[in-house]
Amino acid sequence: DAKTTQPPSMDCAEGRAANLPCNHSTISGNEYVYWYRQIHSQGPQYIIHGLKNNETNEMASLIITEDRKSSTLILPHATLRDTAVYYCIVRVAQGGSEKLVFGKGTKLTVNP
Amino acid sequence: DAGVIQSPRHEVTEMGQEVTLRCKPISGHNSLFWYRQTMMRGLELLIYFNNNVPIDDSGMPEDRFSAKMPNASFSTLKIQPSEPRDSAVYFCASRPSGGSSDTQYFGPGTRLTVL
Repeated sequence: DAKTTQPPSMDCAEGRAANLPCNHSTISGNEYVYWYRQIHSQGPQYIIHGLKNNETNEMASLIITEDRKSSTLILPHATLRDTAVYYCIVRVAQGGSEKLVFGKGTKLTVNP
Repeated sequence: DAGVIQSPRHEVTEMGQEVTLRCKPISGHNSLFWYRQTMMRGLELLIYFNNNVPIDDSGMPEDRFSAKMPNASFSTLKIQPSEPRDSAVYFCASRPSGGSSDTQYFGPGTRLTVL
């Protein structure tokens, strides 16, 4: 699986949008971008995933650049409960390794 | 839906003792994963099962670790004998069958302390 690069930490004001970047310059054409988050003392939680097109669900939006070498997870109105470590992962959805390889992620702190 | 259930939530044991961690995946999910998380190494995949069959155990650190999945609703991770360096949070996750999504659902974890 391709590797990802994320900033180690970010801060965001409550109520503002949180934009978390991820670089995956070696991503292959059949690899998806997944985002998970881990709130302190809990298990990781799936947020969103995408291949080429931008995606949106009730939790977040995922913006993938046209060359697919980077992406941004957007939490449109961050709350204190969004404070967590956010992991960007790329992997083949079918036919490849079943593993999700978690890097160090970005520790997002939402401040009141 | 109860989600992935793990027990115990906390375990404190002495070096050399046998430790058994338990996991009940979400009903209907056919893949099950065991992860270990430490400050030094982050979140690591130990082993995963598809349809109760171990597929990849390359992440299992050594022979002291073993995992079983006797049926679709239960799995165990055993450490025998345990060592202080095994202290970590152990997560179990399950995934539904079919589709292109790799959404894994994690349990709350078992915090293991080996003295």
